[in-house]
Amino acid sequence: EEQLVQSGAEVKKPGQSLKISCQGSEYSFTNYWIAWVRQMPGKGLEWMGSVYPADADTRYSPSFQGQVTMSADRTSRTAYLQWSSLKASDTAMYYCARHERISGSFDHWGQGTLVTVSS
Amino acid sequence: SYELTQPLSVSVALGQTARISCGGSKIGFKNVHWYRQKPGQAPVLVIYRDRNRPSGIPERISGSNSGNTATLTISGAQAGDEADYYCQVWDINTYVFGTGTKVTVL
Repeated sequence: EEQLVQSGAEVKKPGQSLKISCQGSEYSFTNYWIAWVRQMPGKGLEWMGSVYPADADTRYSPSFQGQVTMSADRTSRTAYLQWSSLKASDTAMYYCARHERISGSFDHWGQGTLVTVSS
Repeated sequence: SYELTQPLSVSVALGQTARISCGGSKIGFKNVHWYRQKPGQAPVLVIYRDRNRPSGIPERISGSNSGNTATLTISGAQAGDEADYYCQVWDINTYVFGTGTKVTVL
């Protein structure tokens, strides 16, 4: 069964760095983009950007450009989302999802990683 | 930037039909995808490219898209259809999600 499995919940302080992960299995990892989607508490879905593991091509939403870094490791079949300096407003659930083409639908989703940033 | 507007909530009686709208400028020229998200769960794709169902999604879930409005229709609503629903499009190098609609089955 095709799956995306995300790393566990994180509790961090403002100013700290963080890298969360999303591992794909049972499908050709390099044939699909991995998107990252933010959902703040009680709010809707926001696309942050997508990374293509085959060649590391990355597309960022203008709202998140410069705020986060997306990457992928083909060997370990894992995509990453990282912050260099967290803010309280980064507190949210973060989902990864795969899509076959850059304008395509997100047909499989990870279970989500809850990130809490609090002093 | 492109915006997608959905009603905040839709209520439907058990067994009846619910229609969820997704409004956007000339959305009929774009491919619209729909997701269902139940409380505490990740979203699930229910319709892709306006009207196509992934495997496992029942035929009573359908989609249409024309003009400035795309619509997700849930026929024969069941208690298990209670969820938040989001539309999505790709517009000028950006994915845009709708504002989301909470569906309540009475």
